[in-house]
Amino acid sequence: NAGVTQTPKFQVLKTGQSMTLQCAQDMNHEYMSWYRQDPGMGLRLIHYSVGAGITDQGEVPNGYNVSRSTTEDFPLRLLSAAPSQTSVYFCASGTGSGYTFGSGTRLTVV
Amino acid sequence: SQQGEEDPQALSIQEGENATMNCSYKTSINNLQWYRQNSGRGLVHLILIRSNEREKHSGRLRVTLDTSKKSSSLLITASRAADTASYFCATVLLNNYQLIWGAGTKLIIKP
Repeated sequence: NAGVTQTPKFQVLKTGQSMTLQCAQDMNHEYMSWYRQDPGMGLRLIHYSVGAGITDQGEVPNGYNVSRSTTEDFPLRLLSAAPSQTSVYFCASGTGSGYTFGSGTRLTVV
Repeated sequence: SQQGEEDPQALSIQEGENATMNCSYKTSINNLQWYRQNSGRGLVHLILIRSNEREKHSGRLRVTLDTSKKSSSLLITASRAADTASYFCATVLLNNYQLIWGAGTKLIIKP
């Protein structure tokens, strides 16, 4: 089925560890983005990309890196995990007319 | 900072009643979109209204947009238990693909 696939669904990290959250879409969308969602809050934009080779920072980019080598994939890297990065992470792709979201990654940093 | 603010933060109604949620934003927009999020799941796109539109319908959903007041409302008619979810508005700014989100309205439909 067409859509956005995120892996893993759950992850527990120790402070200081690094990891990569994977995101892939098969809709040939140029625009992809990563959000974090904390309890009682809306989504906050971490990084986004408007096409392969082009990325930019969103509202809360510190502690995260991204790259976009292909149209399909947009991985998010946590460089050195901190408890403040405990959150639910969503990847989305789309156009200005609507976005498709992945099912999320629930990350806990202890 | 977030562009949109939603009101109310939480809403609890009886099944069959209508639910109205409001969204306000700060800057000029290209369009405004509403999304639903069921507990623990990803967001699902419901409806989009462009800046030159005033009202739009999709099934039991009705969205209005007042650009002079920088506000939008989402009406769900004849609510069902399955409508229990959080609802978010998001704006797309001019010349930009980015979505800017409100904090959401948590809707509970009581049987």
